[in-house]
Amino acid sequence: DAGITQSPRHKVTETGTPVTLRCHQTENHRYMYWYRQDPGHGLRLIHYSYGVKDTDKGEVSDGYSVSRSKTEDFLLTLESATSSQTSVYFCAISGQGEGNQPQHFGDGTRLSIL
Amino acid sequence: GIQVEQSPPDLILQEGANSTLRCNFSDSVNNLQWFHQNPWGQLINLFYIPSGTKQNGRLSATTVATERYSLLYISSSQTTDSGVYFCAVFSGGYQKVTFGTGTKLQVIP
Repeated sequence: DAGITQSPRHKVTETGTPVTLRCHQTENHRYMYWYRQDPGHGLRLIHYSYGVKDTDKGEVSDGYSVSRSKTEDFLLTLESATSSQTSVYFCAISGQGEGNQPQHFGDGTRLSIL
Repeated sequence: GIQVEQSPPDLILQEGANSTLRCNFSDSVNNLQWFHQNPWGQLINLFYIPSGTKQNGRLSATTVATERYSLLYISSSQTTDSGVYFCAVFSGGYQKVTFGTGTKLQVIP
């Protein structure tokens, strides 16, 4: 499948600490996304990027920030992690073309905040 | 925002049986994608289907955009089909995507 690497794959940390998750792609795709997956909620969009330095909020963006300084990397930061941010985080990418393009997902990061 | 509902929420099948999963959405969409999340948590693309019918082996999908629904058909189910099936709709600009809450499928031998 698409060349998407998420790191770390698993992380356990304490409330109040900063956390950064990385998504790296080798497909040179324009769009990148961060989702969280929680039981009963499916996947919910946190933030997305439509180009280098171009980002926007999704439906559950409070408590999260993102940065994209290079096409291939999209970082998700929890400035001060809370237990409600315990979740599985997925990165996705999609290309630019006529109309929408399909999304491809990374393997996810399981984050536990104690 | 747009609402996406999937049915049934849970489904148990005997190996070899056929099934139909449904995705309803509340507003016009630009496109629709079906995913399978396997027991290891990976999200696998199945179909990218704004309208019409597509087939891939034992799986096929039909989207009727004018009536705001899509169907995923699984024929001759196998235990490896187990997992959660999600539909996701694309609406608005910048590829805004909304996921349904999924159908959890268990195929028993």
